[in-house]
Amino acid sequence: QSVLTQPPSVSGAPGQRVTLSCTGTSANIGAGYDVHWYRQFPGTAPKLLIYGNDNRPSGVPDRFSGSKSGTSASLAITGLQAEDEADYYCQSYGGLLGGWVFGGGTKLTVL
Amino acid sequence: EEQLLESGGGLVQPGGSLRLSCAASGFTFSIYAMSWVRQAPGKGLEWVSAISATGGNTYSADSVKGRFTISRDNSKNTLDLQLNALRAGDTAIYYCVKTVGPSSQGRYFQVWGQGTLVTVSS
Repeated sequence: QSVLTQPPSVSGAPGQRVTLSCTGTSANIGAGYDVHWYRQFPGTAPKLLIYGNDNRPSGVPDRFSGSKSGTSASLAITGLQAEDEADYYCQSYGGLLGGWVFGGGTKLTVL
Repeated sequence: EEQLLESGGGLVQPGGSLRLSCAASGFTFSIYAMSWVRQAPGKGLEWVSAISATGGNTYSADSVKGRFTISRDNSKNTLDLQLNALRAGDTAIYYCVKTVGPSSQGRYFQVWGQGTLVTVSS
């Protein structure tokens, strides 16, 4: 069982806006620790998508945006495209005892 | 281009040992923390172990504490993970990851290797 909670699956039609949630506790996200997001295509390594809650690495389109509030964080994708179909993971810090923690991942399906 | 190339994975019996290695290139290895993250077949990501830039500080998940040891050689730009007392639950792809951020609390995984598969089975 993952420390951070993500819905197992989310779907949307091309062109739509979808939001992927990531819920933590006062021991991680709620403690003020940053949230980061990764995307993973089948059979490949994860790749950084959002860092520091709402920052995009160079090369990531501005269709992707992150936000954080309280004990939760969200990844929004606008103008959904078929190529966005992948697994998405959130990550934060769980303190000295918890280390770095991940969500269980959300499989995004483009209808 | 920043690259990480893992090696050393394979099939090992329960209770056995394995040593994973990661060769880094394209960035100044000695100034970055590094980590290992694993992914069991069909499952999510799990942070395993991390090491500071100088190698002076190491951190491990409770699930591997006392069994896995992370180390690095900044003169060779390599990161290692010694896996001992392996269990079936350790079966996973192990990723070598460049770890960045202003502090432990804000660290994230910037660059990932392609991974090496460790299978623990009799």
